[in-house]
Amino acid sequence: KQEVTQIPAALSVPEGENLVLNCSFTDSAIYNLQWFRQDPGKGLTSLLLIQSSQREQTSGRLNASLDKSSGRSTLYIAASQPGDSATYLCAVPSYSGAGSYQLTFGKGTKLSVIP
Amino acid sequence: AAGVIQSPRHLIKEKRETATLKCYPISRHDTVYWYQQGPGQDPQFLISFYEKMQSDKGSIPDRFSAQQFSDYHSELNMSSLELGDSALYFCASVSVGPGGEQFFGPGTRLTVL
Repeated sequence: KQEVTQIPAALSVPEGENLVLNCSFTDSAIYNLQWFRQDPGKGLTSLLLIQSSQREQTSGRLNASLDKSSGRSTLYIAASQPGDSATYLCAVPSYSGAGSYQLTFGKGTKLSVIP
Repeated sequence: AAGVIQSPRHLIKEKRETATLKCYPISRHDTVYWYQQGPGQDPQFLISFYEKMQSDKGSIPDRFSAQQFSDYHSELNMSSLELGDSALYFCASVSVGPGGEQFFGPGTRLTVL
């Protein structure tokens, strides 16, 4: 059974700092990996999707990397801003047959960017 | 293009009542997933549908049922509600295939009193 772990559980940084969030998974036979952002009590916003054949994916100040063999992904946020404060979750799909690829989520990293 | 639509956005029910949550996937997406996120928890998979057929079940109580209709929208029916059912319920839609990105709706916040 796939297990996803995120470290650290919480992170507080001053505005402008670059930071890295970590995600690890136990079964390296993944199809892709998604990073999400969630504001308190709100929905899940997809930030980046990395296919299993890719090593990196970039969107603005965000860069996600994937190392399937070691079961790890990182989300790099450059020049952090207070508006980046949120919980960041990574998730990988697990195939269970009949076209179902339900996501297994990590417990998230709660990021606080201090002005 | 319109995203995934969920209704209602907020729902307050009493214990033992029933609730129906609706999900309208992105156009041409034929697969729908339902997830439950309790307070302070990560989302947990409940049930999925592909081409109007149930494709997988996760940790969904027997009191819950769901279906996908001919227009691909899905409904999650919850009966005999318990306090522990209070949570955010998300649906996600995706084009079929292992590399498909799952797009999430804004969620329905269910509060059981």
